[in-house]
Amino acid sequence: GAVVSQHPSRVICKSGTSVKIECRSLDFQATTMFWYRQFPKKSLMLMATSNEGSKATYEQGVEKDKFLINHASLTLSTLTVTSAHPEDSSFYICSARDIYVADQETQYFGPGTRLLVL
Amino acid sequence: AQKVTQAQTEISVVEKEDVTLDCVYETRDTTYYLFWYKQPPSGELVFLIRRNSFDEQNEISGRYSWNFQKSTSSFNFTITASQVVDSAVYFCALSEAGGTASKLTFGTGTRLQVTL
Repeated sequence: GAVVSQHPSRVICKSGTSVKIECRSLDFQATTMFWYRQFPKKSLMLMATSNEGSKATYEQGVEKDKFLINHASLTLSTLTVTSAHPEDSSFYICSARDIYVADQETQYFGPGTRLLVL
Repeated sequence: AQKVTQAQTEISVVEKEDVTLDCVYETRDTTYYLFWYKQPPSGELVFLIRRNSFDEQNEISGRYSWNFQKSTSSFNFTITASQVVDSAVYFCALSEAGGTASKLTFGTGTRLQVTL
């Protein structure tokens, strides 16, 4: 149980294009999803928190117009990197938790998406 | 503000050695949760353990064991008889309790290299 998938696993795009990353909870209801960014050999940096059916809450310094997050259903959240630039190249990881279970505090992570912007 | 410190950046051991990964945390909350995650080279974070602040019992799971001590604000992780497959980056993390806004604060991670 508690499986989270991400698609695509790897994407290369040209500067100026938009990229959408999907995060799905496969066997539980993801009432809350989180999006992280990780630079090489660094820790995870929380970008935003999204609750199903409401607007995402962004961390300080994260541009909400650049990183669009949608959490329209209990099993799917999407992160769209708009007008991507080389500095957006990174490893993006989502996580999900279900607050309606006993283990509501544990976040389960997806396999990540490597984005390379040329 | 919450903070997690993993002072060991990299550790290298020979297979079958025991190794302890240190984690020290700071929080003003009286109720909180501590976690360990493993990140192998593939990148996916694998959940290893969750411990709440009211449960100081040590835990053992196979070759893994965890020592939680509130007195020293530490939550250390020991791998007994390490194996090459244990090579990964290990993250300690902390979250405040309850509600939909709980966030994880990660340490900087400890890279463990197990060689033959």
